[in-house]
Amino acid sequence: QKEVEQDPGPLSVPEGAIVSLNCTYSNSAFQYFMWYRQYSRKGPELLMYTYSSGNKEDGRFTAQVDKSSKYISLFIRDSQPSDSATYLCAMSDVNDYKLSFGAGTTVTVRA
Amino acid sequence: ETGVTQSPTHLIKTRGQQVTLRCSSQSGHNTVSWYQQALGQGPQFIFQYYREEENGRGNFPPRFSGLQFPNYSSELNVNALELDDSALYLCASTDRGVHGYTFGSGTRLTVV
Repeated sequence: QKEVEQDPGPLSVPEGAIVSLNCTYSNSAFQYFMWYRQYSRKGPELLMYTYSSGNKEDGRFTAQVDKSSKYISLFIRDSQPSDSATYLCAMSDVNDYKLSFGAGTTVTVRA
Repeated sequence: ETGVTQSPTHLIKTRGQQVTLRCSSQSGHNTVSWYQQALGQGPQFIFQYYREEENGRGNFPPRFSGLQFPNYSSELNVNALELDDSALYLCASTDRGVHGYTFGSGTRLTVV
């Protein structure tokens, strides 16, 4: 079993739809949770960064963390074609700066 | 200068050769990590350096080695290249205490 599980998709949605992405994990020591966006042939770009459980909103993006279920989510409202990318979840524990990544979900937003 | 820069962007090597990849950390960042990303996979942690000392290593053999310099730039060296080493190599930096890393655009290594 992988430490971080993420459905690779692909996911295709029409412009304006809500995109819902999620990851599950097995390591209960994880305390920091991140979502990265990666365009083709580019490095990952940090989108959202949260500590412990709860919700965080930034513009059209909302990240949710449920530590009791070991489940994290990212929602993208009013999706745009420019949101088409691979989205990677990543997490780490307090004492270790190593990031454990999911496999990434490829999202296409159709105009 | 802002952001993480990596060089070269692409590289083709022959099996058995050695390669050195370079990274300049984002200004003010003293921690650098290297990741390997195979096609269609998430990045896998190789190792991390803080103030020129390695302080964490993933499940990679010793032929993967690194350095961090006083200006916080870094190198990844891979000896005795194997075909499976073909991947995107990502450098990421952060300021100690911050878990959200800034990534470079990567070096795409092809081993033939």
